[in-house]
Amino acid sequence: AQTVTQSQPEMSVQEAETVTLSCTYDTSESDYYLFWYKQPPSRQMILVIRQEAYKQQNATENRFSVNFQKAAKSFSLKISDSQLGDAAMYFCAYRSNYGGSQGNLIFGKGTKLSVKP
Amino acid sequence: DAGITQSPRHKVTETGTPVTLRCHQTENHRYMYWYRQDPGHGLRLIHYSYGVKDTDKGEVSDGYSVSRSKTEDFLLTLESATSSQTSVYFCAIKTGTWGYNEQFFGPGTRLTVL
Repeated sequence: AQTVTQSQPEMSVQEAETVTLSCTYDTSESDYYLFWYKQPPSRQMILVIRQEAYKQQNATENRFSVNFQKAAKSFSLKISDSQLGDAAMYFCAYRSNYGGSQGNLIFGKGTKLSVKP
Repeated sequence: DAGITQSPRHKVTETGTPVTLRCHQTENHRYMYWYRQDPGHGLRLIHYSYGVKDTDKGEVSDGYSVSRSKTEDFLLTLESATSSQTSVYFCAIKTGTWGYNEQFFGPGTRLTVL
């Protein structure tokens, strides 16, 4: 079974600085997607960024980028020019492209990010 | 906004009572999901549906049942609520095509079982 591990329960960053959130995963599959979701205090789950395992190029969405290391099974999220609105829980998630469970997400336990003004 | 609503948004109930949570979507997506979120556990899949009357179990399905009689509605039922089922419940839908698809989440339901 696949697992997702976020080893940093809490992180803190100064406004305008850069922060990197870590995520590792375990799988024997080769075809999968990885995601980062943001959950602000409103509780809404918001998709931040996705990465397809077959793509070498790291995904980027504005100030958010990932460092995808497939061999190391690592998928970290970098937030540049941090803003107060980035304060939230961040969840890393894995999705297989195989079998009947295709589409089911497996989540890490989350990292709580605080942004200091 | 993927057109997902959940009702109720908050509920307090007593141990042993039945509870039904409703997820409603407006866009006719085939796949729908129920997750629970607990501190220290992230989100865990309870049940999912891949069509009307087609459902399957997830990681933490014990004590829960689901039904989907219409494409737009996915119901989660706790037949006899227990304190361990105090949680925040999220519904999600899957959009897109095979391979390249995403899950979008509803606003969540906070359930407290006393």
